[in-house]
Amino acid sequence: DTEVTQTPKHLVMGMTNKKSLKCEQHMGHRAMYWYKQKAKKPPELMFVYSYEKLSINESVPSRFSPECPNSSLLNLHLHALQPEDSALYLCASSQIGTVIAKNIQYFGAGTRLSVL
Amino acid sequence: KNQVEQSPQSLIILEGKNCTLQCNYTVSPFSNLRWYKQDTGRGPVSLTIMTFSENTKSNGRYTATLDADTKQSSLHITASQLSDSASYICVVSAGTSGTYKYIFGTGTRLKVLA
Repeated sequence: DTEVTQTPKHLVMGMTNKKSLKCEQHMGHRAMYWYKQKAKKPPELMFVYSYEKLSINESVPSRFSPECPNSSLLNLHLHALQPEDSALYLCASSQIGTVIAKNIQYFGAGTRLSVL
Repeated sequence: KNQVEQSPQSLIILEGKNCTLQCNYTVSPFSNLRWYKQDTGRGPVSLTIMTFSENTKSNGRYTATLDADTKQSSLHITASQLSDSASYICVVSAGTSGTYKYIFGTGTRLKVLA
């Protein structure tokens, strides 16, 4: 199983709503990532979790709150978002270790978020 | 500054033709380089991964090359198909074992016409 599953596929929310994006993988990967991707741009790293601990936060606004409840799950909690936060949110996972050939990020299909 | 640049930005070719996409990088310390294919509205899918010592790697009709001296990589697509229409992203990993930083290129948008 080399799948990273993201739900929901599409999400429309108002600026006062609270919603969550979910990501799940069962490949035994201990690094998980959230990326934000605007149209025709490469993905931008938001957060990295290593061994279920937040290791990188790329100065993301506090209206985005990540959570890693266990080694298979990664959530992104959304609150008081702005219209400019509308984007494709991608989750990825990878192994951690010295074997470079295993250092591949597997991406989910993404959640298309629209903030009205 | 770690940077990955791709060219061309966009490319239109006829079905059945070959094409080559370029990736130049200034990344240190270099760990590996990957090419991803991303269909519109979908997540990127890995095509190839290459380490410092590898010059060429193939995956079906996709062949990637790496010149570590000039810090250049190319992705050659043979006998293109309509389904090859997508964005192709070059990603370079920087860092030592266990701690990697992924630097994304801006991508090349390929359109294959019938």
